[in-house]
This record gives sequence, C-alpha cells and structure tokens, in this order.
Amino acid sequence: DTGVSQDPRHKITKRGQNVTFRCDPISEHNRLYWYRQTLGQGPEFLTYFQNEAQLEKSRLLSDRFSAERPKGSFSTLEIQRTEQGDSAMYLCASSLKRDTYNEQFFGPGTRLTVL
Amino acid sequence: TQLLEQSPQFLSIQEGENLTVYCNSSSVFSSLQWYRQEPGEGPVLLVTVVTGGEVKKLKRLTFQFGDARKDSSLHITAAQPGDTGLYLCADSNSGYALNFGKGTSLLVTP
Repeated sequence: DTGVSQDPRHKITKRGQNVTFRCDPISEHNRLYWYRQTLGQGPEFLTYFQNEAQLEKSRLLSDRFSAERPKGSFSTLEIQRTEQGDSAMYLCASSLKRDTYNEQFFGPGTRLTVL
Repeated sequence: TQLLEQSPQFLSIQEGENLTVYCNSSSVFSSLQWYRQEPGEGPVLLVTVVTGGEVKKLKRLTFQFGDARKDSSLHITAAQPGDTGLYLCADSNSGYALNFGKGTSLLVTP
C-alpha cells in the first residue's frame, strides 16, 4: 500500500496523559500536513512541513500541541496534558510541493478519545 | 480564511434518485477540491476544479464550477448505497492549508 498511513487508528487516554501519533506520507511527497476534525465539522488545519522544515505552526491549537518531522519522512504529532476537548479525529495528509493545485492525500486518521 | 458554506447539511435518499449538493463562498476560489469521507476514514480526493464554468465528470458524479468561481456543485445521478458519505469542498487559497466546509452528509438507502 503506497498511501498515507497513520498509527494508531484509535487511542483512548485519560485526561492529563500525553499522546503521540505517527504519520507516514506517500514516499515521494515532500509536504506533510496535520488536521483535526471534530464531529459535524470539516477538517481544520493545524500545521505543515516541507521536507523537515515546519513552515506554519501558528494554528496549532495550544502550546500543548507540537509536531516534528525529523528526517523529512514520517511525522509525529504530540499532545501533552490531554483534555477532554482534545477528543477528535487527527488526520495527516501529504502532497507534492510542485503540485499547482495543492491536491492533498489523506491518511485514515487517528481517533482520539480523552476520558 | 474565507467561509465555505455547504448545503444541504444532511440528505437522505433512496437508491436510484438524483441529487445535487452545493458549496458557496463570498470570495473567489483559486481552485476548489471535492472530497468524500466515509465514517472512520480520511477524506478521499474526488476532483479539482480550476476554471470558471468548468464541468468535470467522474462516472455518475458531475462537478460544476461557477462562472465567477465563487460556487460549485456536485450532482450524483442514480445514487447507490456506495455513494453514502460526507462530501466536503475545500479551497487552497493560502497555497498550503486546505480550508474545508462543514460538508454534506449523504445517506443512500437500498
């Protein structure tokens, strides 16, 4: 399978715990994006990388959220001190920088439930 | 970030019926993408429309882009249960982030 993969698919945690999600993009894609989707809403942009550089992070929801892409391949999204309001689907997408229309390809998502 | 309005919010039809869903904005789209999302999965790209007045067809799905590039529609002919899902439109005016509408949730029953 050469699509975007995410791990885990589901995560249940207790309030106050830290969680980390992983995304593996399509291999030749140099841009990687993180989105959050809550019930009844479309995906909401959080941050993105071009290769290993994080070019936009001002829309991360709080300083409890951080993302890395250390070698320009896979990426991780970490949420520290989780809150019940963090419960959502976290989606990763990838694209080619040279794509004129910024067509993005999404992974299956990680469903986070904070108890 | 421009506001994308999608209508209707929910649609429940029987197999074989036709339907149209809409995506509107007060601002001009540089380009517009349509995605379909099944429950518990990520969105899947269906089509990108770029030119005002453009019509694209994908089997039983017909996508139109308004002449002024402020609106778009998706028409499904003879809907099937496999068409069930959340239909999302998104613009990329920022050049990197996709800006999504809330989507139209479609249920097609046999």
